[in-house]
Amino acid sequence: DQQVKQNSPSLSVQEGRISILNCDYTNSMFDYFLWYKKYPAEGPTFLISISSIKDKNEDGRFTVFLNKSAKHLSLHIVPSQPGDSAVYFCAAPGFGNEKLTFGTGTRLTIIP
Amino acid sequence: DAGVIQSPRHEVTEMGQEVTLRCKPISGHDYLFWYRQTMMRGLELLIYFNNNVPIDDSGMPEDRFSAKMPNASFSTLKIQPSEPRDSAVYFCASSFRRSEAFFGQGTRLTVV
Repeated sequence: DQQVKQNSPSLSVQEGRISILNCDYTNSMFDYFLWYKKYPAEGPTFLISISSIKDKNEDGRFTVFLNKSAKHLSLHIVPSQPGDSAVYFCAAPGFGNEKLTFGTGTRLTIIP
Repeated sequence: DAGVIQSPRHEVTEMGQEVTLRCKPISGHDYLFWYRQTMMRGLELLIYFNNNVPIDDSGMPEDRFSAKMPNASFSTLKIQPSEPRDSAVYFCASSFRRSEAFFGQGTRLTVV
């Protein structure tokens, strides 16, 4: 049962444009969400999070939007830079516990 | 802090051998997680500890897998006997309460 889904395995975006990565979830009990970024041969690194009481959280070039009615969140990167090329995972901890469930990831490629 | 430290970075072993993966979490973190990443299943949680106590091991695939955390600064994941289908990248991560998890660089295991 994939509770956190990333339906786009890959995405290519021109440098300087906006990158939008999407994530859907099925468990309405999730109370916050995280995005991680992963480079090859490295572990995932935390990027940004959002609490379920908010619908937007911004940190520099990165903004996460949460639509609870649609059970959907998205990560916007603007402007996109070559160093943003990586695999991006959305994740959510279980209700009342720390069991992080990850999506399958989206490979973002920024084209110079 | 040096971050989460995993060893070895790479391990190649023959089928049937015992494999031990090691992890040193970030000092002060009270949660430790073991994840496995494969092409087929993505990032899946195997087991996690809170204050050195195993909380949820439902992700451990078989009895061949075992994990221990004898103290706050060390954990092991053991596979005995190893099989080719265990080949994957194994990540250890730690966190403080419900904050974001920090990942190690992973151990790439190849069982031949």
